[in-house]
Amino acid sequence: DVKVTQSSRYLVKRTGEKVFLECVQDMDHENMFWYRQDPGLGLRLIYFSYDVKMKEKGDIPEGYSVSREKKERFSLILESASTNQTSMYLCASSPNRDTQYFGPGTRLTVL
Amino acid sequence: QKEVEQNSGPLSVPEGAIASLNCTYSDRVSQSFFWYRQYSGKSPELIMSIYSNGDKEDGRFTAQLNKASQYVSLLIRDSQPSDSATYLCALITGGGNKLTFGTGTQLKVEL
Repeated sequence: DVKVTQSSRYLVKRTGEKVFLECVQDMDHENMFWYRQDPGLGLRLIYFSYDVKMKEKGDIPEGYSVSREKKERFSLILESASTNQTSMYLCASSPNRDTQYFGPGTRLTVL
Repeated sequence: QKEVEQNSGPLSVPEGAIASLNCTYSDRVSQSFFWYRQYSGKSPELIMSIYSNGDKEDGRFTAQLNKASQYVSLLIRDSQPSDSATYLCALITGGGNKLTFGTGTQLKVEL
C-alpha cells in the first residue's frame, strides 16, 4: 500500500510566523504535489515537483515556497503566515502524472 | 468559465437507486479524466479513471466520457449509505502537467 504521511493533522500558528509542512511518501514516487482545500473552492494546486530539487508553480503559489531535497520528502513553507492561509493542506504523491495518492491532510489555522 | 464544473449538491438518492454525478470541462485537449471520492474529514481517494470515449465499468461504478460534448459522468448502481461522500471530478490540463479538480458533488444515500 502507498503511504503518504504529513507531519501534523492540526496546526495553529500566529500571523507572521514561518510555517513548515512536511510530507513523506514511501513508494519511491517521483511526483509530489501540495494542494489546499477550501469550502466552495475545491482543491487548488500550490506547487508540484517531478524530481529531486525540481519544483513548478501551480495555480496559487503566492505566499508559499517548497523544498525537495530528497525524493521521499516534499516540504511546503509559508514564509510569513497570514490569516488567509488558514486552510486544509493536502500532500499527494504519484508514480505518473495521473493517479495521485493523498496524505491525511494538515488543518492549519493562522490567528 | 471554470476549467472543471460540478454541481455542488447535495444529491440525495434512496438506497438501492442509481446515483448519477456529472462534470463538464472547458479544455478541449484534456485526455485523462478521474473520479475521486472524499469522505467527510478524510482525504480524496481515486475510484475511477477514463481515457477514451464511452463507458468504463468497475463493479458498481461506471464512468462515462464524451469528449465532443466535454462531459464526464459517474454512475453508481445499487447505491449504499457507505457511498455517501463528496465526489471530485479531475482531469489533466495544461498540456499534461497538472491535475485540475472540480469543487465536488456531495452525495447522500438515504435509507
